[in-house]
Amino acid sequence: DAMVIQNPRYQVTQFGKPVTLSCSQTLNHNVMYWYQQKSSQAPKLLFHYYDKDFNNEADTPDNFQSRRPNTSFCFLDIRSPGLGDAAMYLCATSSRTVYGYTFGSGTRLTVV
Amino acid sequence: TQLLEQSPQFLSIQEGENLTVYCNSSSVFSSLQWYRQEPGEGPVLLVTVVTGGEVKKLKRLTFQFGDARKDSSLHITAAQPGDTGLYLCAGAILTGNQFYFGTGTSLTVIP
Repeated sequence: DAMVIQNPRYQVTQFGKPVTLSCSQTLNHNVMYWYQQKSSQAPKLLFHYYDKDFNNEADTPDNFQSRRPNTSFCFLDIRSPGLGDAAMYLCATSSRTVYGYTFGSGTRLTVV
Repeated sequence: TQLLEQSPQFLSIQEGENLTVYCNSSSVFSSLQWYRQEPGEGPVLLVTVVTGGEVKKLKRLTFQFGDARKDSSLHITAAQPGDTGLYLCAGAILTGNQFYFGTGTSLTVIP
């Protein structure tokens, strides 16, 4: 089935040690998003790609970076994770011709 | 500034009761979605409403889009424990690629 896949589901990293989260999609959607979600709160948009065009939210810390090497893959890089970066990270896709997001299952990041 | 406000923020009810969740804004949306998210999982799209005044039913769930396309409601009839989760509304504006999430409603249905 077409879907959005995030790897890994659970990631434990050390304080200050760079970490990369990955997302792949088989939907051929041209827009991909990264959200950060903390406990029982609404997802907070970090950035999104419209095709190769990168759009950063104004309040996204510089510590967070993203790469989209092709339509199918998108990566979230956290250069120096702090304790406050522990959260669920959600990848989502959408198409301009289709309403709504398709979300991956998320990556739960723990910083120790 | 939060574009979409949901109420209530938390809701705990007994199995079999009815409930309504509201999603309100002062902005006009071209479409609005409702998602349900279970713990440890990503949100799952339940419905998309597009036309002002539109009503959609999904089994025991009824979704309504306001006439002015600024608000929406989700009504659940005879709630079941399986309805437990975080309910999120998200609106799309006419321009841009982004959907704006509401503040979320955490629902617990007690058996």
